[in-house]
Amino acid sequence: NAGVTQTPKFQVLKTGQSMTLQCAQDMNHNSMYWYRQDPGMGLRLIYYSASEGTTDKGEVPNGYNVSRLNKREFSLRLESAAPSQTSVYFCASRETSGRAVFSEQYFGPGTRLTVT
Amino acid sequence: DAKTTQPPSMDCAEGRAANLPCNHSTISGNEYVYWYRQIHSQGPQYIIHGLKNNETNEMASLIITEDRKSSTLILPHATLRDTAVYYCIVRPFFSSGSARQLTFGSGTQLTVLP
Repeated sequence: NAGVTQTPKFQVLKTGQSMTLQCAQDMNHNSMYWYRQDPGMGLRLIYYSASEGTTDKGEVPNGYNVSRLNKREFSLRLESAAPSQTSVYFCASRETSGRAVFSEQYFGPGTRLTVT
Repeated sequence: DAKTTQPPSMDCAEGRAANLPCNHSTISGNEYVYWYRQIHSQGPQYIIHGLKNNETNEMASLIITEDRKSSTLILPHATLRDTAVYYCIVRPFFSSGSARQLTFGSGTQLTVLP
């Protein structure tokens, strides 16, 4: 049981390049999330997906797109990278179905992205 | 969601109890207190949560004041591996089907000293 996995672990992009960050979870969770964390700051939500087929904007969605490919996978795309998107990106998942009134969020190990 | 206030940093001697405070004076009746921690370069990890009663699990204890305006996370015997940023988060209990996210502030950097 790997939990939440993210690829790649590190990435360097030039301004204007595009890329997709991949996230997968094997816990059969309904909800998945993308956060970014800038140095010395807390996590900020970019997008989330309450269930397969749905996505919603979080606090800082500009410059990003997401795809909930299936229940397991939730990808984050940067269409035209900017230096302001240099950050550590974390994916998370949580069970929100049925009578699961409390469930913790499980986080992946993060992707460290540098845009030059 | 209610705002929380935490000290930016704290030190603790290895083997001693680490007591991390959190103020949440605007907490409302349906809001819980959650604690997560983030060890350097890793994703955040859930520790504990509570409403008004004190809670304990294998990782920590959570003490919530009677007026619920503040709480303390206690790591009873801190080890070097407990060095991390600790986040106190206040928000309504996750209802079934709700995907509302956690809002992380700046947290407290706990450094456990040998």
